[in-house]
Amino acid sequence: SQQGEEDPQALSIQEGENATMNCSYKTSINNLQWYRQNSGRGLVHLILIRSNEREKHSGRLRVTLDTSKKSSSLLITASRAADTASYFCATDGDGGSEKLVFGKGTKLTVNP
Amino acid sequence: SQTIHQWPATLVQPVGSPLSLECTVEGTSNPNLYWYRQAAGRGLQLLFYSIGIDQISSEVPQNLSASRPQDRQFILSSKKLLLSDSGFYLCAWSTTGIAKNIQYFGAGTRLSVL
Repeated sequence: SQQGEEDPQALSIQEGENATMNCSYKTSINNLQWYRQNSGRGLVHLILIRSNEREKHSGRLRVTLDTSKKSSSLLITASRAADTASYFCATDGDGGSEKLVFGKGTKLTVNP
Repeated sequence: SQTIHQWPATLVQPVGSPLSLECTVEGTSNPNLYWYRQAAGRGLQLLFYSIGIDQISSEVPQNLSASRPQDRQFILSSKKLLLSDSGFYLCAWSTTGIAKNIQYFGAGTRLSVL
């Protein structure tokens, strides 16, 4: 069953603006990850946040996790045209599994 | 450093023909290996994963099979392709250590079955 669900499905912003994407999941997790996919390419891991963490930063990325609401958000600050891509959240489903369950993704377009 | 190779990049096959997609990983040993399919504008559907040679789990009943003839080689096959097998196929690997959840993806194969 689908674990992560991102919203919005699509987001269009201007360069320099911030982009926020949200992810909701259904079961308990050990960690939640965000990946990026450029059109027609493989996914690239961006950041992992553990279930006992509430916030994590990496460069212009900020991820929050609320386990009580089973939700996470990815914030990209000062967006650039090169940030145009699809962004997916992924959870380890039943906890501690080698498998990940991916959401359907948010397609972000950053207009120059 | 670790790298993952997946080929071919694109493939056009007639219905009923066989399929073989290959994925190899370099620079690591005993990786977990994964095959995903991604429909247009959709998320990833896990097809198979393997935690070792001869240890392959199938996630979804389908027209496909997977094999792991060597530690770092993962092959996706079909004896007879269906139209519904069209899609973007992604291979990925992860470690078996502490960071076992982080997956590293190949560039993908775009398969069109006509």
